[in-house]
Amino acid sequence: GENVEQHPSTLSVQEGDSAVIKCTYSDSASNYFPWYKQELGKGPQLIIDIRSNVGEKKDQRIAVTLNKTAKHFSLHITETQPEDSAVYFCAASKYNDMRFGAGTRLTVKP
Amino acid sequence: DAGVTQSPTHLIKTRGQQVTLRCSPKSGHDTVSWYQQALGQGPQFIFQYYEEEERQRGNFPDRFSGHQFPNYSSELNVNALLLGDSALYLCASTYLRADLRRGNTIYFGEGSWLTVV
Repeated sequence: GENVEQHPSTLSVQEGDSAVIKCTYSDSASNYFPWYKQELGKGPQLIIDIRSNVGEKKDQRIAVTLNKTAKHFSLHITETQPEDSAVYFCAASKYNDMRFGAGTRLTVKP
Repeated sequence: DAGVTQSPTHLIKTRGQQVTLRCSPKSGHDTVSWYQQALGQGPQFIFQYYEEEERQRGNFPDRFSGHQFPNYSSELNVNALLLGDSALYLCASTYLRADLRRGNTIYFGEGSWLTVV
């Protein structure tokens, strides 16, 4: 089955800096790659997603890139703010069977 | 527009007991998936229900079972609870009917925290 690896497990940045989280997946048939933000005690919240026919997608300060050949995708957050502090999960989906990475705990220091 | 709702939010059970968790999908969604999230880990896929049938299943024992009702709501049942079943149980919904192959946006509820003592 699909295996998703996510790095780094923890990331600490200064407010205003950029943050990058990287994921790799194993199943070349996966065609949908969402990113979720999870705050303490809450369920995951979708922040951006990308499909396999697109290489890059941007939404304000958040962008995701996908390299199908290398089977990796990345989340980029620019101009980080303290409220961006949370755990971020990447996921890969094939036929709506979604598998998650282990998560990255992002801390943005004011 | 109500999102995915789950109940109860927290519960404590004793080892060996059985538990039922409930989920109502987001309005317009027809598919419900259940995930188990242990502390400090990513969500692990348990199973998915579509048209009242289990469509896909992750690597979980038969103690984990589910059901989907005609109104698309769903239940997750866990029998013979173990201490290791303590986790956040997440329900997620999506609209599958248009294209079973397409990756559709999946929305999560806030989860049910289960503690087994």
